[in-house]
Amino acid sequence: DTGVSQDPRHKITKRGQNVTFRCDPISEHNRLYWYRQTLGQGPEFLTYFQNEAQLEKSRLLSDRFSAERPKGSFSTLEIQRTEQGDSAMYLCASSPKKTSGGFEQFFGPGTRLTVL
Amino acid sequence: RKEVEQDPGPFNVPEGATVAFNCTYSNSASQSFFWYRQDCRKEPKLLMSVYSSGNEDGRFTAQLNRASQYISLLIRDSKLSDSATYLCAVTPQAGTALIFGKGTTLSVSS
Repeated sequence: DTGVSQDPRHKITKRGQNVTFRCDPISEHNRLYWYRQTLGQGPEFLTYFQNEAQLEKSRLLSDRFSAERPKGSFSTLEIQRTEQGDSAMYLCASSPKKTSGGFEQFFGPGTRLTVL
Repeated sequence: RKEVEQDPGPFNVPEGATVAFNCTYSNSASQSFFWYRQDCRKEPKLLMSVYSSGNEDGRFTAQLNRASQYISLLIRDSKLSDSATYLCAVTPQAGTALIFGKGTTLSVSS
């Protein structure tokens, strides 16, 4: 399977714990995005990278959230001191480098986080 | 006003029906437009990009109206397998964050 992969697929944690998610984009896609989706809502943008550079962060990305893409390949999203409001599906997407066009984004299966 | 708005539905239609969804966006500078399909508890899957001239892919037709700031999706000859949530997404600049609507739920029955 050459699509976007995410690990773990499910995570249950207790409030106050730290969690880390991993995303592996489609090979040679240079842009990588993180979104969060709660029930009944569309995905909400968190942050994105072009290669290893983090180009944009949403206001939703509080100080407890940090994302990295150290070598321009896979990315990690860490949430420190989790809160029940962090419970959501965390989606990763990637898009290829294009000289024109819409930069279509392709999503991974997501990591479903439950904070107890 | 929300940045991207969709009628949440649900749209309940019989097999074979034609159904249309609209999506309005508030940023007139938006550059790229997409329709995604999302099945329950799955990730969004790109259905089609939306081009200024309109585009068609089999039973699906997408249109963009920049003057009125909306995009539409038309599904002809609905199948049971078309039952899903349809999300529209726009970007202010190509390659940047997608801004999604809440999605429109379609249920096709036999």
